[in-house]
Amino acid sequence: KNEVEQSPQNLTAQEGEFITINCSYSVGISALHWLQQHPGGGIVSLFMLSSGKKKHGRLIATINIQEKHSSLHITASHPRDSAVYICAVLKVPANTGNQFYFGTGTSLTVIP
Amino acid sequence: SQTIHQWPATLVQPVGSPLSLECTVEGTSNPNLYWYRQAAGRGLQLLFYSVGIGQISSEVPQNLSASRPQDRQFILSSKKLLLSDSGFYLCAWSRGGYEQYFGPGTRLTVT
Repeated sequence: KNEVEQSPQNLTAQEGEFITINCSYSVGISALHWLQQHPGGGIVSLFMLSSGKKKHGRLIATINIQEKHSSLHITASHPRDSAVYICAVLKVPANTGNQFYFGTGTSLTVIP
Repeated sequence: SQTIHQWPATLVQPVGSPLSLECTVEGTSNPNLYWYRQAAGRGLQLLFYSVGIGQISSEVPQNLSASRPQDRQFILSSKKLLLSDSGFYLCAWSRGGYEQYFGPGTRLTVT
């Protein structure tokens, strides 16, 4: 069983809809990372969380350390949000390499 | 500002041929460097990481190897490619903090 599970695996939404992507993990972590992978393959960092909530534009990320769960929300979704969203966790104790462990991603398609 | 380069962007190689993928980072010194592979339909898998020149740690056994000949250069190699080596290879760097920055990736197809 993967230590990081994401749901749903695939998601199709109409433009303007509110979207939620979930990430659950089964290990102790020191940080959680939400990444966005574009169709060409390039990956960009969206958020790094260790507690609470962060907001950037239409994106909101929350984490509940006790429940080992994080959510990524997209408000007023747009076709340009179509991408694969990946959750990654940094396990504790973090060794010198700071390796992340990744979920398999959620493929989001926003239809105009 | 820091940038990370990978080349080539795409590569088609026959089974049994050698492989060399290169990653370089600009604008920072002594970064932690990482090689990941993303196989079709699967999540990112850490292959190697390096915390300094000549220091390589391997996460999974395989026919791949990595080297760090210079501070900001990370090379992924194979002497003989397998079909199962096909995938999308990503290099990333960090400064020891939690955030990692990814390169554009190399799409490798082994035929």
